[in-house]
Amino acid sequence: DVKVTQSSRYLVKRTGEKVFLECVQDMDHENMFWYRQDPGLGLRLIYFSYDVKMKEKGDIPEGYSVSREKKERFSLILESASTNQTSMYLCASSLFARPRGNTEAFFGQGTRLTVV
Amino acid sequence: AQSVTQPDIHITVSEGASLELRCNYSYGATPYLFWYVQSPGQGLQLLLKYFSGDTLVQGIKGFEAEFKRSQSSFNLRKPSVHWSDAAEYFCAVARPSNTGKLIFGQGTTLQVKP
Repeated sequence: DVKVTQSSRYLVKRTGEKVFLECVQDMDHENMFWYRQDPGLGLRLIYFSYDVKMKEKGDIPEGYSVSREKKERFSLILESASTNQTSMYLCASSLFARPRGNTEAFFGQGTRLTVV
Repeated sequence: AQSVTQPDIHITVSEGASLELRCNYSYGATPYLFWYVQSPGQGLQLLLKYFSGDTLVQGIKGFEAEFKRSQSSFNLRKPSVHWSDAAEYFCAVARPSNTGKLIFGQGTTLQVKP
């Protein structure tokens, strides 16, 4: 079974702190994603990576950065946490598929982050 | 720009009744289409997916979905709902590419009455 593991289920951080959310997948997937989930807005893509050290911005990258030093690990970084970053964060991974796009994303359990 | 609309934010059905969750997308060509389910406090689990071929696709847990190109829709159905189906359901589309980036709808919360 594919497993995507997020290091924390719940986090409480203070405004201005630097926050690291970690995600590890065990299926040798090339693609990894960070989504943010808010009520009524669905999931919105923050960043994704299709290879080690490669990253691309998603729809809402402001206030976030990412790191992918190893294929299995993708980290989301909040440089200076703010209260409007209180949310559920979901990590996902998928194969870099051929034929094009014929793949599915597998999700972690999510990290509920509260910034106070 | 690509977008996905799930018109129903909340739906309540009685156990044993049939279910249909609506999904409409806006995209220039036929995208890849997905339905995911999220139980409370959990991540997302794939119910079914459509890439090409037969427009009626079968998924897990007795769900099916039908792709209708003319209506840009990919509605999810289940003939008889069980109490354990109470969850949030997300429709998603992906542009046919290697990156697999998904665009999600807003989600529909399903409540099941006993």
